[in-house]
Amino acid sequence: DGGITQSPKYLFRKEGQNVTLSCEQNLNHDAMYWYRQDPGQGLRLIYYSQIVNDFQKGDIAEGYSVSREKKESFPLTVTSAQKNPTAFYLCASKVTRLSDEQFFGPGTRLTVL
Amino acid sequence: KQEVTQIPAALSVPEGENLVLNCSFTDSAIYNLQWFRQDPGKGLTSLLLIQSSQREQTSGRLNASLDKSSGRSTLYIAASQPGDSATYLCAVDLQGAQKLVFGQGTRLTINP
Repeated sequence: DGGITQSPKYLFRKEGQNVTLSCEQNLNHDAMYWYRQDPGQGLRLIYYSQIVNDFQKGDIAEGYSVSREKKESFPLTVTSAQKNPTAFYLCASKVTRLSDEQFFGPGTRLTVL
Repeated sequence: KQEVTQIPAALSVPEGENLVLNCSFTDSAIYNLQWFRQDPGKGLTSLLLIQSSQREQTSGRLNASLDKSSGRSTLYIAASQPGDSATYLCAVDLQGAQKLVFGQGTRLTINP
């Protein structure tokens, strides 16, 4: 089955720790995205990547880092510099052609203890 | 800066009613507009995508319209069912930016 997988589904972090969220897609999409969603709010863009080995900051990149070493994978690291990391994190992908729709993974809920 | 607004924030209607969800955006320079559905604790499911050159798209009981000049889109749901209960989000794809800007969503409840 083609799609986007995110792991883990739930993640707990102690203050001061870095954690990495996994995102994998087998849709052969070039572009991948990370969004953050807080309760009752829309999604905000953290980072995005249109090709392998290249990525750009989104609107709220501070305290986060990413890598894009493979087309299929776009992991997100939440660093200790992110002051309020408790949120629902969503990964998405799309073909790089303009006007293509984005497809989303099931999300990872991160809670800081 | 592009801003996307969805009104109302929440809507509750009896089963069987036809309903309209609204989405407005401030900058008409968009490539497309996408409507999504989100169930509690889940990811987003794409419902409809309207290209900037189109006026509407239909899928089953759903119909989405786009009026770029006025910065508005509507999602029409016909003959609503309890299974339609979810949060509906709209998002615009900005020209040249290759990213989506989301509204805050409308939480829809269909009462049996």
